Amino acid sequence: DAGVIQSPRHEVTEMGQEVTLRCKPISGHDYLFWYRQTMMRGLELLIYFNNNVPIDDSGMPEDRFSAKMPNASFSTLKIQPSEPRDSAVYFCASSYGGSPSYEQYFGPGTRLTVT
Amino acid sequence: AQKITQTQPGMFVQEKEAVTLDCTYDTSDQSYGLFWYKQPSSGEMIFLIYQGSYDEQNATEGRYSLNFQKARKSANLVISASQLGDSAMYFCAMREGYAGANSKLTFGKGITLSVRP
Repeated sequence: DAGVIQSPRHEVTEMGQEVTLRCKPISGHDYLFWYRQTMMRGLELLIYFNNNVPIDDSGMPEDRFSAKMPNASFSTLKIQPSEPRDSAVYFCASSYGGSPSYEQYFGPGTRLTVT
Repeated sequence: AQKITQTQPGMFVQEKEAVTLDCTYDTSDQSYGLFWYKQPSSGEMIFLIYQGSYDEQNATEGRYSLNFQKARKSANLVISASQLGDSAMYFCAMREGYAGANSKLTFGKGITLSVRP
């Protein structure tokens, strides 16, 4: 079975440019999460969806960040305009609400570098 | 206060020996879940093991077991018979409240484990 798929795997962009990160969750999973990992701040949750509806976006840093989930098999995280401090690894994860533990399965991540 | 505390800066273990990675947590909820993830140098996050707050038995998954001490609020990961492939960063995480009401995970800062041949 395919795991969580993220694209691109690496993104290098200039400050001020728009960046769009993409995620396809595991089929059948009804929760989707976006995380950011940096050396300074560790792994932090940005936003999560349940059945395509945003449930908690309190971790989204500022208005430059937005996330959508138009259907059960696709989500995007957009940064506009990007800044050097957005450089990080962005992970998408999904989980199934029918499992007792709701364990999250992570994608391979997108390494974003903003110059 | 930090929700998840992992204070060991780096751990070393000889191949085939057992190692314990420490994790303490802080919550006032009665229902919560504790997770361990592995992050090898390639970067992916791999789910290892889960312990629910109401589970009476310590969780086990193959060579991984979770030493759950509720009164001490600790959830240490024990890896038996270490292998070279176990060298990685290990993260402890917690979900507070009932899973259906709150699916957010809070992660610790991680512990680096190096397995020596």
